[in-house]
Amino acid sequence: QAVLTQPSSLSASPGASASLTCTLRSGINIGAYRIYWYQQKPGSPPQYLLRYNSDSDKQQGSGVPSRFSGSKDASANAGILLVSGLQSEDEADYYCMIWHGGAWVFGGGTTLTVL
Amino acid sequence: EVQLVESGGGLVQPGGSLRLSCAASGFTFSDYYIYWVRQAPGKGLEWVGHIRNKVNSYTTDYAASVRGRFTILGDDSQNSLYLQMNSLKTEDTAVYYCARAPPGHAPDYWGQGTLVTVSS
Repeated sequence: QAVLTQPSSLSASPGASASLTCTLRSGINIGAYRIYWYQQKPGSPPQYLLRYNSDSDKQQGSGVPSRFSGSKDASANAGILLVSGLQSEDEADYYCMIWHGGAWVFGGGTTLTVL
Repeated sequence: EVQLVESGGGLVQPGGSLRLSCAASGFTFSDYYIYWVRQAPGKGLEWVGHIRNKVNSYTTDYAASVRGRFTILGDDSQNSLYLQMNSLKTEDTAVYYCARAPPGHAPDYWGQGTLVTVSS
């Protein structure tokens, strides 16, 4: 089982909100980890969006709109990236990342479609 | 403005070697960690390794898939970083990105990447 699991795809309508999840493998407690989120558009490098550990330990990437926000769902053992007020430019792949077991680990990525 | 520019990619045969370069500007090179991350065609992101900053003695960590074959080297005087790749395999085919990270954190700025193709 992968360390980080992301749904492969998600669709939402313009103006709506999309909640992208990053679920940690059973036995790895989300409470101990900072979750980093990246957006990648076709043909471009990843762009840093934000990191989230708690409300007192979080950071927004430079120039990243506040409609991108992070949180955790302890009951689901998952990190969440919430994108509010969806725009067509938000169509992209989204990756989560953590430092675990002496290595940086990426989730498999979620393709967000805005239609 | 923070900039990272990779170069040195190309076609190499299995078992061969290649050295990638990453030229950094717009920040104090010795204060940050520098990462290498790769992305195989049509696939997700994979951390390759990173080199810590001067305060942390430029120590390195590598992914298990490249450990013993890849080496990250830094050159403060040139604000440059290198990824020496030996014993290349077809599964090393990917776009290789270098990226800057604040100490102890994941990357916040990325280069545009350079494509490495390992094929006979």
